[in-house]
Amino acid sequence: DSGVTQTPKHLITATGQRVTLRCSPRSGDLSVYWYQQSLDQGLQFLIQYYNGEERAKGNILERFSAQQFPDLHSELNLSSLELGDSALYFCASSVEAGGWYGYTFGSGTRLTVV
Amino acid sequence: DQQVKQNSPSLSVQEGRISILNCDYTNSMFDYFLWYKKYPAEGPTFLISISSIKDKNEDGRFTVFLNKSAKHLSLHIVPSQPGDSAVYFCAASVTGNQFYFGTGTSLTVIP
Repeated sequence: DSGVTQTPKHLITATGQRVTLRCSPRSGDLSVYWYQQSLDQGLQFLIQYYNGEERAKGNILERFSAQQFPDLHSELNLSSLELGDSALYFCASSVEAGGWYGYTFGSGTRLTVV
Repeated sequence: DQQVKQNSPSLSVQEGRISILNCDYTNSMFDYFLWYKKYPAEGPTFLISISSIKDKNEDGRFTVFLNKSAKHLSLHIVPSQPGDSAVYFCAASVTGNQFYFGTGTSLTVIP
């Protein structure tokens, strides 16, 4: 157990639908990162929050949004889902904003869009 | 645009021999690099890091080498063990910012 909790572990949904992925960071970590791993792709950075504020944005589609709540947990919302959104979504956390000592990753949420 | 590339999707090595995993990057501003290891059904776990002020960092059986002029880093595992079989990702960042990851290399250590 890395200390980063992601729910649900698996999600199957239909095209056009909306889903919410949840992440609880490791205790004490203020930064949360979301990454997407599609088939044969590396981990694509989506977005980072630090202590409730958006800090950096990567290749995140406009149909996707995220937020970090006062208790530091984060949610990634994916809407108008397409088949190509099927992927493994990882959440990671770190104490500081820059990830100096590496991130701690959760075990991921596998999203399948049918 | 893939700023961090791992051109070998897979690698097989005999137990006890050296495993060398390679990573290339395109952004000359990157100054901090990490290697992660990932087992199936788990998230990546941090393995070793190196900053651009060094050209080598060692931690037990794992050594990371950085060649800034070639924009290349490598991870050496000596000796390789069957438990090292996993997918290895390299990642790079401009200090204080998010990491960009490669596509991973699947290492199989054959007993």
